[in-house]
Amino acid sequence: EPEVTQTPSHQVTQMGQEVILRCVPISNHLYFYWYRQILGQKVEFLVSFYNNEISEKSEIFDDQFSVERPDGSNFTLKIRSTKLEDSAMYFCASKTRTGGTDTQYFGPGTRLTVL
Amino acid sequence: DQQVKQNSPSLSVQEGRISILNCDYTNSMFDYFLWYKKYPAEGPTFLISISSIKDKNEDGRFTVFLNKSAKHLSLHIVPSQPGDSAVYFCAATFISNFGNEKLTFGTGTRLTIIP
Repeated sequence: EPEVTQTPSHQVTQMGQEVILRCVPISNHLYFYWYRQILGQKVEFLVSFYNNEISEKSEIFDDQFSVERPDGSNFTLKIRSTKLEDSAMYFCASKTRTGGTDTQYFGPGTRLTVL
Repeated sequence: DQQVKQNSPSLSVQEGRISILNCDYTNSMFDYFLWYKKYPAEGPTFLISISSIKDKNEDGRFTVFLNKSAKHLSLHIVPSQPGDSAVYFCAATFISNFGNEKLTFGTGTRLTIIP
């Protein structure tokens, strides 16, 4: 069964460093998302991406964040200058078609630890 | 901004009995609801969904009930099995033609099935 994959599973970085989190969505999916979950809190929406551009972004997704689909398979989240409060699980999700009745499928997540 | 609330952080149920997980929402614009299950160190796994035009959707041991007037939904698992022990998240969204529907998650309920 097709699945969303994410690398790395765990990333440790120093405050102020840049990190890139990678995702490979399910191959025929068209809509891509990043969410994050700070330890003990709810899963929060960061950004949605369709047709090579951002569809919507949350207040969390400030200028330090960017997303890219550099080729036909990868979808990346870059944090330019990490802060301590960026420590969280980051989940990538993808969905096939519009209409709202298609489910978002999530990857296993990347645990980001900022020291 | 708790548009989706799961007021029970944890629930313990005997194996074989019914598990009932509850979720309330405040935003009347939500018209599509999903339940996800999450094991530690894994991403959310889709379980079942319901559109606001229905009041019940069933899939095997899982049934979701929606009470629009009360802005309340519940997930019933019958019979409960040890493998059902996980954190369950309720999520809500708006159906649109743009396809970029973000999910708004509740805080989750940790379900423990007692053998």
